[in-house]
Amino acid sequence: DVKVTQSSRYLVKRTGEKVFLECVQDMDHENMFWYRQDPGLGLRLIYFSYDVKMKEKGDIPEGYSVSREKKERFSLILESASTNQTSMYLCASSLAGPQETQYFGPGTRLLVL
Amino acid sequence: DAKTTQPPSMDCAEGRAANLPCNHSTISGNEYVYWYRQIHSQGPQYIIHGLKNNETNEMASLIITEDRKSSTLILPHATLRDTAVYYCIVRNTGNQFYFGTGTSLTVIP
Repeated sequence: DVKVTQSSRYLVKRTGEKVFLECVQDMDHENMFWYRQDPGLGLRLIYFSYDVKMKEKGDIPEGYSVSREKKERFSLILESASTNQTSMYLCASSLAGPQETQYFGPGTRLLVL
Repeated sequence: DAKTTQPPSMDCAEGRAANLPCNHSTISGNEYVYWYRQIHSQGPQYIIHGLKNNETNEMASLIITEDRKSSTLILPHATLRDTAVYYCIVRNTGNQFYFGTGTSLTVIP
């Protein structure tokens, strides 16, 4: 079975803090994704990566950066957390190719005070 | 990108088939239809996907109309654990999934 894990299920941070969310997958997938999910807005893509050290902006990259130094690990960074970044963050991975299924992690619920 | 339309909520009696509809009238010929579900406070779980033929796996069946403008996800014998939000997604040619707001399915004892 595909396993995608995220470093924390719940996180509380203060405004202005630097926040790291980490995602690890164990299926040697080329592609990895970060989404955020908010009530009434569905899932929105923040960034994705199709290879080590490669990244592409999604629909809402502002305020975020990412890092992919190893194939299995994809980090989402909030350089200076703000209250409007309070959300559920979901990581996903897939094999390369346009129609490969994405597999999701359990999510990290981030609260920024 | 093709968009999808789903009813916001549905109920289904336990043990009966749950039929979840989805409209995707602007779908392109090479775009697949995917279904995921999300149980409260968990990550989305893949269910099934298809292009134009009907598909079945251990979780569900997917029926796609001949013109591909709509589809139906069928859970043959719904259980209480099937209570979740179900997302119908039409995948574009890139790597992105566009999740809408889905259908909240409640299975009633």
